[in-house]
Amino acid sequence: DAGVTQSPTHLIKTRGQQVTLRCSPKSGHDTVSWYQQALGQGPQFIFQYYEEEERQRGNFPDRFSGHQFPNYSSELNVNALLLGDSALYLCASSLLTLYQETQYFGPGTRLLVL
Amino acid sequence: AQTVTQSQPEMSVQEAETVTLSCTYDTSESDYYLFWYKQPPSRQMILVIRQEAYKQQNATENRFSVNFQKAAKSFSLKISDSQLGDAAMYFCAYRSAPGNTPLVFGKGTRLSVIA
Repeated sequence: DAGVTQSPTHLIKTRGQQVTLRCSPKSGHDTVSWYQQALGQGPQFIFQYYEEEERQRGNFPDRFSGHQFPNYSSELNVNALLLGDSALYLCASSLLTLYQETQYFGPGTRLLVL
Repeated sequence: AQTVTQSQPEMSVQEAETVTLSCTYDTSESDYYLFWYKQPPSRQMILVIRQEAYKQQNATENRFSVNFQKAAKSFSLKISDSQLGDAAMYFCAYRSAPGNTPLVFGKGTRLSVIA
């Protein structure tokens, strides 16, 4: 049973550039959530995708956008990169149910903006 | 908005000893879930234990157990018989119920295990 996978593992970009991060959810999961974890901090929720639509969004600017594909995999796009976007980006997958379902995390993508 | 506070930035424990990590949270909701996640240097966030707020019984998972005090909004993690592999960042997290709501994390506690 494959867990959550993310690519790439590391990425270096310069200010103003655009970046795309990818996530494949755990088998059987239909919901993908993205989190940003700055150095020394806990993860912060960016947004969540279900049925190819953004369902919930945290306090992040429109420079952060995403997409979910029919196979439930997801992309996170960040435009006009800022130095402050340097962080570990975590993807978590879960199964949408009426009741709580545990989110399982991928290994993350470390983004460095120079 | 819900908040999660971990007041211990760093903790250390001798191998085979017991350590308790603290977590408090603030919410006006009555139905929610609490989690402890472990993040080793490999960065993978691993679920350690979870607690449903409606359950009075404290959750346990092998050497890991929680002390859930709903009225005090406290959710501490006890690690018994600490092992070198327990060294990691530990994050307490809150999640509203029902549905697929996002996790709200604390800032974490770095646990060192001394051989």
